[in-house]
Amino acid sequence: AQTVTQSQPEMSVQEAETVTLSCTYDTSENNYYLFWYKQPPSRQMILVIRQEAYKQQNATENRFSVNFQKAAKSFSLKISDSQLGDTAMYFCAFMKHSNAGGTSYGKLTFGQGTILTVHP
Amino acid sequence: DVKVTQSSRYLVKRTGEKVFLECVQDMDHENMFWYRQDPGLGLRLIYFSYDVKMKEKGDIPEGYSVSREKKERFSLILESASTNQTSMYLCASSFRTRGADTQYFGPGTRLTVL
Repeated sequence: AQTVTQSQPEMSVQEAETVTLSCTYDTSENNYYLFWYKQPPSRQMILVIRQEAYKQQNATENRFSVNFQKAAKSFSLKISDSQLGDTAMYFCAFMKHSNAGGTSYGKLTFGQGTILTVHP
Repeated sequence: DVKVTQSSRYLVKRTGEKVFLECVQDMDHENMFWYRQDPGLGLRLIYFSYDVKMKEKGDIPEGYSVSREKKERFSLILESASTNQTSMYLCASSFRTRGADTQYFGPGTRLTVL
């Protein structure tokens, strides 16, 4: 079974600064996907960024980028130029592909979450 | 935009009651999921469905059942609610593809069992 660990329950950062959220995972799989999801206060969870394990290049989405270290099983999220709207709970998640009866679906395993607060 | 809706944002029930949580998605997704979210534990998968009338147990199915009679609708049923089922429940849906299936989440239902 896969496990995902986020060792930082809470973090804070000043507006316009950079912050890095940590995530480690444990798996025996070679092909898998990693995700960061964001859950703003009282709002829906949305996808921030995702990484395919077979790609060596780190994924980037505007101010969000990841540092994917496959050998170390580490997948950190860097938020540059932090904004007040980045205040949220962030979840790291792992997905391997499974097949059932010829179909395919993706099961997510989540970490515990990190509450990020951006201060003005 | 993908829209996943859940029938209630807040729900208060009594121990022993039968509880229905409804989830509807409008993107013709094959996969649908039910999670519960608890502080310090993240999200844990209760049940999922990859097709109409199909269901698979997740990591914590005990005390729950599900129903998927139509593609767009996935219901979570607490047969006899207990206080330890007080939690936030999140529904999600995704396409069934060969690649990574991005899951889209509903707003959640905060259930309190007294």
